[in-house]
Amino acid sequence: GDSVTQMEGPVTLSEEAFLTINCTYTATGYPSLFWYVQYPGEGLQLLLKATKADDKGSNKGFEATYRKETTSFHLEKGSVQVSDSAVYFCALSDQAGTALIFGKGTTLSVSS
Amino acid sequence: DVKVTQSSRYLVKRTGEKVFLECVQDMDHENMFWYRQDPGLGLRLIYFSYDVKMKEKGDIPEGYSVSREKKERFSLILESASTNQTSMYLCAAGQGNSPLHFGNGTRLTVT
Repeated sequence: GDSVTQMEGPVTLSEEAFLTINCTYTATGYPSLFWYVQYPGEGLQLLLKATKADDKGSNKGFEATYRKETTSFHLEKGSVQVSDSAVYFCALSDQAGTALIFGKGTTLSVSS
Repeated sequence: DVKVTQSSRYLVKRTGEKVFLECVQDMDHENMFWYRQDPGLGLRLIYFSYDVKMKEKGDIPEGYSVSREKKERFSLILESASTNQTSMYLCAAGQGNSPLHFGNGTRLTVT
């Protein structure tokens, strides 16, 4: 079945460092891809999404490009802040566009 | 913005108790979901519903049931709580291809 694999954390960075969190997927069709973020004590919030190949999702300085040839959707940010410390989840939706399949999450910790 | 409200942030129950986790959404979305979140395992789908009185099993339905009597409310029921059901439970709502909106979660401890 469909699945999502993302790099294991924790990822520890200094403020203003460059961030990459890798995400690859396995799907039979043409899924939509998402990054969600979970701040401490909160539920998940949508960070960005891409619905077809070569689409780039972006929000709050984060970007990810839907790469069908490598089945990847890596999350990047050029300069992280302490406030970006959170758990990041990569996810896909199947062709029905309803239930999300999540990766295991990557914890990011940014220090000043 | 869609608001998804879970009735309890923290819950402590004893083994064998019947437990109800309530979730309400305010935007008339058709689809509702229950996930559990565990360290190292990410989010796993327990049950979901596409409409009132309809339910579908997710990946880990054993030990759980659900109820959707009204469109805005989706309840998760642990018929006889066990310690391995200690977890964070997340409810979500969505419609069509739009992204899911999540509640803040209920952290359940079963002792």
